[in-house]
Amino acid sequence: DTAVSQTPKYLVTQMGNDKSIKCEQNLGHDTMYWYKQDSKKFLKIMFSYNNKELIINETVPNRFSPKSPDKAHLNLHINSLELGDSAVYFCASSRSGAGGNEQFFGPGTRLTVL
Amino acid sequence: GNSVTQMEGPVTLSEEAFLTINCTYTATGYPSLFWYVQYPGEGLQLLLKATKADDKGSNKGFEATYRKETTSFHLEKGSVQVSDSAVYFCALSKDNQGGKLIFGQGTELSVKP
Repeated sequence: DTAVSQTPKYLVTQMGNDKSIKCEQNLGHDTMYWYKQDSKKFLKIMFSYNNKELIINETVPNRFSPKSPDKAHLNLHINSLELGDSAVYFCASSRSGAGGNEQFFGPGTRLTVL
Repeated sequence: GNSVTQMEGPVTLSEEAFLTINCTYTATGYPSLFWYVQYPGEGLQLLLKATKADDKGSNKGFEATYRKETTSFHLEKGSVQVSDSAVYFCALSKDNQGGKLIFGQGTELSVKP
């Protein structure tokens, strides 16, 4: 009964491929997020969805396309993968998009582009 | 723009030592402030938070006080344990920004027995 789950945990692929990462939360939250953590552990928001609507798109290349089929799921599709996309991607969710709410994070997906 | 700055790591302490990790922020108005912790190979989990000036967040022996006058939210613990070894992130969020967290660069803490 993991609160926020991501699949796969590890993803190794070649440059130029297209891949997807899936995220599901069973907390009943309205808002979901994708964050990218680089090799120096720095974390940066990529996208935020509230009730399946895109709220935040933080200057992410349009090769990255999030999709939220329902409130409990937020997937991330990446086209034409590049070496610089190698990172750990974290999904998170919160009760709403209000500033003081705790975000619950998934275990992360480590993407390695060769 | 809004930003968070943390003291650089890694920080290495002996068990039972006192811990301080400095965090300062730049933001207009009154952001909410957080400390998240990332244990090796895991996602982040909330350690504590404060949503208004002079609030003190506390959890598992860790404390941090929201200081508006110095724009700081320093993390402290009186006696660290080996199990506290992790990466600690200071973060802020604002009500009108869709809930996004703006993180500091993280501080790695290693506690030796």
